Amino acid sequence: LAKTTQPISMDSYEGQEVNITCSHNNIATNDYITWYQQFPSQGPRFIIQGYKTKVTNEVASLFIPADRKSSTLSLPRVSLSDTAVYYCLVGDIAMDSSYKLIFGSGTRLLVRP
Amino acid sequence: GAVVSQHPSRVICKSGTSVKIECRSLDFQATTMFWYRQFPKKSLMLMATSNEGSKATYEQGVEKDKFLINHASLTLSTLTVTSAHPEDSSFYICSAYAGTSGRGSTQYFGPGTRLTVL
Repeated sequence: LAKTTQPISMDSYEGQEVNITCSHNNIATNDYITWYQQFPSQGPRFIIQGYKTKVTNEVASLFIPADRKSSTLSLPRVSLSDTAVYYCLVGDIAMDSSYKLIFGSGTRLLVRP
Repeated sequence: GAVVSQHPSRVICKSGTSVKIECRSLDFQATTMFWYRQFPKKSLMLMATSNEGSKATYEQGVEKDKFLINHASLTLSTLTVTSAHPEDSSFYICSAYAGTSGRGSTQYFGPGTRLTVL
């Protein structure tokens, strides 16, 4: 299972774009990159998933370079309610192994007024 | 879509009692469910992988006799904390997965269960 490395914490202000980068040097060919958001005392919430290049949905964009050894979650125009912990995970199911996610320490994002 | 529920959301029990936590996938069938625990200000720690109709696979260091997992159907998995003690107090979170081998897929998480053992 590929290990991920993220900044422990980040600060931002309302209305700014926030980019959180995750390193996953040992990512395997079949691995996908998934980001989750977690608020205190709640389960993680799926944000976005991608394999390569760029993926965009209604809440975020995910940029993945060609070598896939890192990825960047981009949150446009953050608000106070985006204050949370963000987890980057890599993994995929294979025919002969179970699909499981190993959470790293995550990035604590604090959005200030 | 892809909603996972947990029940109860919080439970307080006396030391020595057993507590059962239910995890349900409400709008999809989950071939695999996972159980995590999380201590305050810490990351999620995977406890076990539960496949419908078979025995759960526990992560290293997790006592299978302490944390009994049953995955009786494609929409329900239960975690029973047996003979609970104060050190078992934690936030327990389940996730459900329904995907096809070889493709990117997603785990959907429940809202968590706060267990407090007195």
